[in-house]
Amino acid sequence: QKEVEQNSGPLSVPEGAIASLNCTYSDRGSQSFFWYRQYSGKSPELIMSIYSNGDKEDGRFTAQLNKASQYVSLLIRDSQPSDSATYLCAADNQAGTALIFGKGTTLSVSS
Amino acid sequence: NAGVMQNPRHLVRRRGQEARLRCSPMKGHSHVYWYRQLPEEGLKFMVYLQKENIIDESGMPKERFSAEFPKEGPSILRIQQVVRGDSAAYFCASSPEWTSGAYNEQFFGPGTRLTVL
Repeated sequence: QKEVEQNSGPLSVPEGAIASLNCTYSDRGSQSFFWYRQYSGKSPELIMSIYSNGDKEDGRFTAQLNKASQYVSLLIRDSQPSDSATYLCAADNQAGTALIFGKGTTLSVSS
Repeated sequence: NAGVMQNPRHLVRRRGQEARLRCSPMKGHSHVYWYRQLPEEGLKFMVYLQKENIIDESGMPKERFSAEFPKEGPSILRIQQVVRGDSAAYFCASSPEWTSGAYNEQFFGPGTRLTVL
């Protein structure tokens, strides 16, 4: 059973701090990795995608991928209360036909 | 709004009835995926379709569940003889052709919340 593992949290950070979210994946055949944000009662919203080892930055978000360690992370700089949500890590399956999701990490940013 | 559309947003069914969920992909997208999210659980893949073809249905329960994406019209996820355990949020996602370089980048619709009484 291919899996994506995340710490469920909650992760609590003060406003303006850096939030660091991590996940590991088991399928070495995975090629594409994604971070989604999901507010309570809402649908997942794609915030970052990464395909190559290293860092990818987009505004306050930086995704990091290490395929050798099967590890993906998301850094959120200058965290805002509006960033409070559940963050879902996802990896595609080897065939590229589906995304395998972790159960999500709940982030709480206090003002 | 050019996003993924799903309807109905909320659906209540009694045990034994049929539930029919509809999804229209984002404009220009030809790949449709269905996921289910149970309370306190993660999103679970169900099925991946392209127009008139089921590409991967490895996540679909063997009985009572079916999906289609006809040449014209929305994709349909059908659940026959619903049971209480089918109560969940069902999300549809769509993606563009992979030649765009955004491999399997999937965008989700608002979901259908199914409640089985």
